[in-house]
Amino acid sequence: AQSVAQPEDQVNVAEGNPLTVKCTYSVSGNPYLFWYVQYPNRGLQFLLKYITGDNLVKGSYGFEAEFNKSQTSFHLKKPSALVSDSALYFCAVRDPNAGKSTFGDGTTLTVKP
Amino acid sequence: NAGVTQTPKFQVLKTGQSMTLQCAQDMNHNSMYWYRQDPGMGLRLIYYSASEGTTDKGEVPNGYNVSRLNKREFSLRLESAAPSQTSVYFCASSVFRETDTQYFGPGTRLTVL
Repeated sequence: AQSVAQPEDQVNVAEGNPLTVKCTYSVSGNPYLFWYVQYPNRGLQFLLKYITGDNLVKGSYGFEAEFNKSQTSFHLKKPSALVSDSALYFCAVRDPNAGKSTFGDGTTLTVKP
Repeated sequence: NAGVTQTPKFQVLKTGQSMTLQCAQDMNHNSMYWYRQDPGMGLRLIYYSASEGTTDKGEVPNGYNVSRLNKREFSLRLESAAPSQTSVYFCASSVFRETDTQYFGPGTRLTVL
């Protein structure tokens, strides 16, 4: 079975500081990993994904994530947070042998001016 | 392109009533999905359709039925609504199953009294 955990319900950072939103996963094979963002009253929007290749993945709006196989993690990062980054962030994982993805419970990011 | 569209945006039902949530995509995607989002529980997959003519159960299919009407449209039906089905429902699509990015609709907020 596949699973994903986002250990922090809430992350608070000051504008201009680096941010990290954590994600760990469990799958039986090599994972496909995704980050999505949800703004209030909107659907989810794709940020970035890891399928294979370079462990550091760059995505939209200056976000990046690092795939760490030994730690089974895929943390989302940004060097300098913006107030407009405040949103709900979801990590998702799929075992290529499974028919569907599993989403984490989400982490609310709040960036304060 | 409109992307993924969902109707209605809001709906209030009484226990026992039935309704159909409509979803359409104009991106020529093969795969479509229905999720529900509840506070603290992230996104949970209800049903998905890997390609036109096929449907499969997700994590929480009980109380729901789906129809993949054609390549564009994927509807979700509640035959006898229950208060436990109060949720926000999202439709999503992807090019082919889940190696590809999912594109989400704006959601339907359903309340069952």
